[in-house]
Amino acid sequence: DAGVTQSPTHLIKTRGQQVTLRCSPKSGHDTVSWYQQALGQGPQFIFQYYEEEERQRGNFPDRFSGHQFPNYSSELNVNALLLGDSALYLCASSLFSSETQYFGPGTRLLVL
Amino acid sequence: GIQVEQSPPDLILQEGANSTLRCNFSDSVNNLQWFHQNPWGQLINLFYIPSGTKQNGRLSATTVATERYSLLYISSSQTTDSGVYFCAVNQAGTALIFGKGTTLSVSS
Repeated sequence: DAGVTQSPTHLIKTRGQQVTLRCSPKSGHDTVSWYQQALGQGPQFIFQYYEEEERQRGNFPDRFSGHQFPNYSSELNVNALLLGDSALYLCASSLFSSETQYFGPGTRLLVL
Repeated sequence: GIQVEQSPPDLILQEGANSTLRCNFSDSVNNLQWFHQNPWGQLINLFYIPSGTKQNGRLSATTVATERYSLLYISSSQTTDSGVYFCAVNQAGTALIFGKGTTLSVSS
């Protein structure tokens, strides 16, 4: 049973560029949530997707956007990258009916 | 929103020692999870424990929902237990809120 997978594992971008991160949920899960983890901090919720719609959103600007596909996989897009966007981006999957979330290995983004 | 506080922020142990990590939360919750983040950043589920007590090998956890705290016990610690331990909570249909974590270092 495959767990949550994310790609790429690492990424280096420059300020002003755009980036797309990808996530495939655990088999059988229908809900994907994205989190940003800055160095030395706990993960912060960005948004959650279910049935291809954004269901909840944390306190992040609209430079952060996402998408969920019919196969439940998801993308996180960040436009106009800032130095402060450098972080570990974590994807978590769950069943919409369940509270328990399972996390992927993350994508480390460095913005120069 | 709910506040989650973890203590201690840092813990240094010798191999074989026992430890207790604490998580306090400011409101009633439907879900409480403990995670271990390994040096590569992977968050590993340890327990889903909104109330009661669970054990898994050398690890156990207790949540007292009425008093809004949870404890994670690590017995006979090993170097592979090193990393950051996070507590995260949510209410029904809301996002997980994480504490700042406890960084555990176990030396041989």
